[in-house]
Amino acid sequence: AIRITQSPSSLSASTGDRVTITCRASQGISSYLAWFQQKPGKAPKLLIYAASTLQSGVPSRFSGSGSGTDFTLTISCLQSEDFATYYCQQYYDYPRTFGQGTKVEIK
Amino acid sequence: QVQLQESGPGLVKPSETLSLTCNVSGDSMNSYYWSWIRQPPGKGLEWIGYIYYSGSTNYNPSLKSRVTISVDTSKKQFSLKLSSVTAADTAVYFCARGAAGTDRLDYWGQGTLVTVSS
Repeated sequence: AIRITQSPSSLSASTGDRVTITCRASQGISSYLAWFQQKPGKAPKLLIYAASTLQSGVPSRFSGSGSGTDFTLTISCLQSEDFATYYCQQYYDYPRTFGQGTKVEIK
Repeated sequence: QVQLQESGPGLVKPSETLSLTCNVSGDSMNSYYWSWIRQPPGKGLEWIGYIYYSGSTNYNPSLKSRVTISVDTSKKQFSLKLSSVTAADTAVYFCARGAAGTDRLDYWGQGTLVTVSS
């Protein structure tokens, strides 16, 4: 199975900050990577797919980049509603696998 | 707007079979992948498997011997069965839609907690 290493596992930031989360795949996955946001007690919400395509309705302050093995999610100007846990997921190969998650907390 | 809703027992005894159903509304089931994902309390996400609307399946090898996913497009629902459960199967179970062509998970149910305990 493809392993996805996500970092950091948690971070503290303030409203207005620029935040970057990375995922590294154990082998090349082209651009078959998605990013999800999950708030406590809720289902994950798709933010970005194909590494850099914004899902409909997602604010433009979210962006994704990368291909192959290294990927980045950037939140350009953190808002209060962005404090949550973020997961990446590869859908290049089976079984589909997720990163361990990054919890974005208020500083 | 596509909506998914999980249903099923919230408590299952060890060694028994966990059974959940996901009801789909707001769109046809055709051309999509219908997935199950789970999340143990306080932990990360684990992909269980999917069924294509036509009936073909793909399961996580870690669970493959115990998992069955089925679909009934006429009822607009799909189901998960996980046999011989243990406490390690205690989790929130999510159903989700995989987009046509790539199975990226674009719509999710709210999730249902299943506890394995005697």
